[in-house]
Amino acid sequence: DGGITQSPKYLFRKEGQNVTLSCEQNLNHDAMYWYRQDPGQGLRLIYYSQIVNDFQKGDIAEGYSVSREKKESFPLTVTSAQKNPTAFYLCASSMETGRAFFGQGTRLTVV
Amino acid sequence: AQSVTQLDSQVPVFEEAPVELRCNYSSSVSVYLFWYVQYPNQGLQLLLKYLSGSTLVKGINGFEAEFNKSQTSFHLRKPSVHISDTAEYFCASLDTGRRALTFGSGTRLQVQP
Repeated sequence: DGGITQSPKYLFRKEGQNVTLSCEQNLNHDAMYWYRQDPGQGLRLIYYSQIVNDFQKGDIAEGYSVSREKKESFPLTVTSAQKNPTAFYLCASSMETGRAFFGQGTRLTVV
Repeated sequence: AQSVTQLDSQVPVFEEAPVELRCNYSSSVSVYLFWYVQYPNQGLQLLLKYLSGSTLVKGINGFEAEFNKSQTSFHLRKPSVHISDTAEYFCASLDTGRRALTFGSGTRLQVQP
């Protein structure tokens, strides 16, 4: 089945810890995105990548980092610099204009 | 900068009643608009999209939306809702510079029996 796989589904982070969220796609899409979802705020763009080995900051990139070493993979690291990381994180990919496919999301909680 | 405004955070409606979820956009460039649906603890699924052409766009699950340039609106409608339509709905526009979607804050549709 073609699609986007995010793992893990649930993740718990201790204060001061870095954690990495995985996102893999087998749709052969060039573009990939990370969004953060908080209640009542919709989805906000963290980072995006239009092509392998290149990525740009979105609207809320502080405290996050990404890499795009392979077309299929776009992992997101939530660093200790992100002061309020508890949220639902969604990864997406796209080939044609705006038609984005989303993963099932990772719910990150700080404990 | 592009922005999308969803005017209602929650819309309660009875089963088999019609519903309209409102969305307004602001943009000075070409407009590409979308409606996505999200069921609890899941990702987003595309309902419909407007890229060009006919202003009335039909999507999945019986939903449709009308692009209105003079009112800068892209409201989502369904003539008769089902319990299974209970979900969160997001309006989005494509930022053509970044080629990334900008989302509204979402509207929670609650269908009651």
